[in-house]
Amino acid sequence: AQRVTQPEKLLSVFKGAPVELKCNYSYSGSPELFWYVQYSRQRLQLLLRHISRESIKGFTADLNKGETSFHLKKPFAQEEDSAMYYCALSGRGTALIFGKGTTLSVSS
Amino acid sequence: KAGVTQTPRYLIKTRGQQVTLSCSPISGHRSVSWYQQTPGQGLQFLFEYFSETQRNKGNFPGRFSGRQFSNSRSEMNVSTLELGDSALYLCASSPTGFGQYFGPGTRLTVT
Repeated sequence: AQRVTQPEKLLSVFKGAPVELKCNYSYSGSPELFWYVQYSRQRLQLLLRHISRESIKGFTADLNKGETSFHLKKPFAQEEDSAMYYCALSGRGTALIFGKGTTLSVSS
Repeated sequence: KAGVTQTPRYLIKTRGQQVTLSCSPISGHRSVSWYQQTPGQGLQFLFEYFSETQRNKGNFPGRFSGRQFSNSRSEMNVSTLELGDSALYLCASSPTGFGQYFGPGTRLTVT
């Protein structure tokens, strides 16, 4: 079955600390993985996709096919990073399968 | 470019009624997808339309339907509403279907 698991509902860190938001997936094949972010009172927006292999707002994510993971990382968290983060998988066509999301709270 | 717009933003309906939600994609985007977001189930894919054809469908009952017009605008319809249909319905558009741009959503409350 296709599934995306984000094991943490809430992740609280201090400003300047490293951040790692975990994402594990289950899919038989070669999926495309995404991270979406939703800031307070804003719409859901694409943060990055694994195929682009780029860094957005200091965030990076590496697809590990052996561990079926796509963790989101940032070396130094900023208060403006506080948001809800969703990991998503696209396997069957263009339908996105989302994880339940992780709330990142960055405090000073 | 203007973003994805959805109308109405809020709706209150009673059980048994039907409802139509509208989505206007970003200009030039031919793919429109719909998602249901609830606290319990999270974000779930409903269906995707590309150039007026349904290209993909999620695991929702037949009460949920949609269509896309020649200008890429899309509507989704839910018939015989149930309390469990209360949710935020999100529309997303994309030039090809990947890397989707989401609208603000329509909040549907069924009483």
